[in-house]
Amino acid sequence: EPEVTQTPSHQVTQMGQEVILRCVPISNHLYFYWYRQILGQKVEFLVSFYNNEISEKSEIFDDQFSVERPDGSNFTLKIRSTKLEDSAMYFCASKRQGASGELFFGEGSRLTVL
Amino acid sequence: LAKTTQPISMDSYEGQEVNITCSHNNIATNDYITWYQQFPSQGPRFIIQGYKTKVTNEVASLFIPADRKSSTLSLPRVSLSDTAVYYCLVGDANNAGNMLTFGGGTRLMVKP
Repeated sequence: EPEVTQTPSHQVTQMGQEVILRCVPISNHLYFYWYRQILGQKVEFLVSFYNNEISEKSEIFDDQFSVERPDGSNFTLKIRSTKLEDSAMYFCASKRQGASGELFFGEGSRLTVL
Repeated sequence: LAKTTQPISMDSYEGQEVNITCSHNNIATNDYITWYQQFPSQGPRFIIQGYKTKVTNEVASLFIPADRKSSTLSLPRVSLSDTAVYYCLVGDANNAGNMLTFGGGTRLMVKP
């Protein structure tokens, strides 16, 4: 069964450092998403991406965040200057054409900012 | 965006049927209702989706009344492995890139 893969599974970084989280969505999917989940809290939407541009973004997705689909297979989330409160599990998801709510999630990347 | 309200937690026993209800009073005409399951330290997993009436698949049923202001996820004969958080989401079927927002979810604990 095809799946969304994410790397790294866990990253520890110092406050102020740049972090790039990588995702390989399912190959025939066209819509891509990043969510985050702070420990013990709910899953929060960050951004959706379609046709090489951002479709929607939440208020969490400020200027410190950016997304890119550099090579047609990877989908990356960059945090330019990490803050302590960026520590969370970051989930990538993808969706095929015509499937309104059926997102396929990766296993997540845990980011710890010290 | 349609907001959803679910019970924070529920307890059940193995073999019982579990029904989790979600309220979405301001659901829009184009919104579908989707349920996800999440285990600790894992990404959410799609369970079922519907627009109206009843939908059934191999793991669950989804009941949606005519006014669509609520929905009920039904898990038949739960096992210990069904212990998880269950999320109800509503989203615009015609806006594929839309902000699908997770609410607080319902933490289901299945006991032996």
